[in-house]
Amino acid sequence: GENVEQHPSTLSVQEGDSAVIKCTYSDSASNYFPWYKQELGKGPQLIIDIRSNVGEKKDQRIAVTLNKTAKHFSLHITETQPEDSAVYFCAASKPQAGTALIFGKGTTLSVSS
Amino acid sequence: GAVVSQHPSWVICKSGTSVKIECRSLDFQATTMFWYRQFPKQSLMLMATSNEGSKATYEQGVEKDKFLINHASLTLSTLTVTSAHPEDSSFYICSASATGTAGYTFGSGTRLTVV
Repeated sequence: GENVEQHPSTLSVQEGDSAVIKCTYSDSASNYFPWYKQELGKGPQLIIDIRSNVGEKKDQRIAVTLNKTAKHFSLHITETQPEDSAVYFCAASKPQAGTALIFGKGTTLSVSS
Repeated sequence: GAVVSQHPSWVICKSGTSVKIECRSLDFQATTMFWYRQFPKQSLMLMATSNEGSKATYEQGVEKDKFLINHASLTLSTLTVTSAHPEDSSFYICSASATGTAGYTFGSGTRLTVV
């Protein structure tokens, strides 16, 4: 089955710096790659996603890039703010209906002011 | 947008009792519901997948007789933790998807503590 690896497990940056989190996946049939932000005691919140027919997607300070050949995708956060501090998860799923998302192990991002 | 309401948000129960967690899709029909478990400082681990009207498919290592999943309608799925023990204490999260639509909608999670 699908296996998603995520790095780094922790990331500390200064406010205003950029943060990059990387994920690799194993199943070449996967075609949907979302990123979630999870705050303590809450469910995951979708922040951006990308499908395999697109190489890059941007939404204000957040961007995701996908390299299907290498089977890796990355989350880029620019101009980080303290409120960006949270745990971030990448995930992957295949196109078949009823297929679950498989998550990476998560990255704890700390943004200090 | 799509909303999944999950209840309760937290529950404390005595060892040996059963607990039911509900997830309702409020504005769409959830043809498939996924249940995840998340231990502290760990990732979301898929427990089971259920399609409306069918028996759930459980991941390896998840006891189907202990974690009962019912998905009898397109808007409601329940997870019952039977004969709960302290090691079942965890954060349980549901996620719903609908046929023909993109993406997954997550519930807000249920913190289960078994004492």
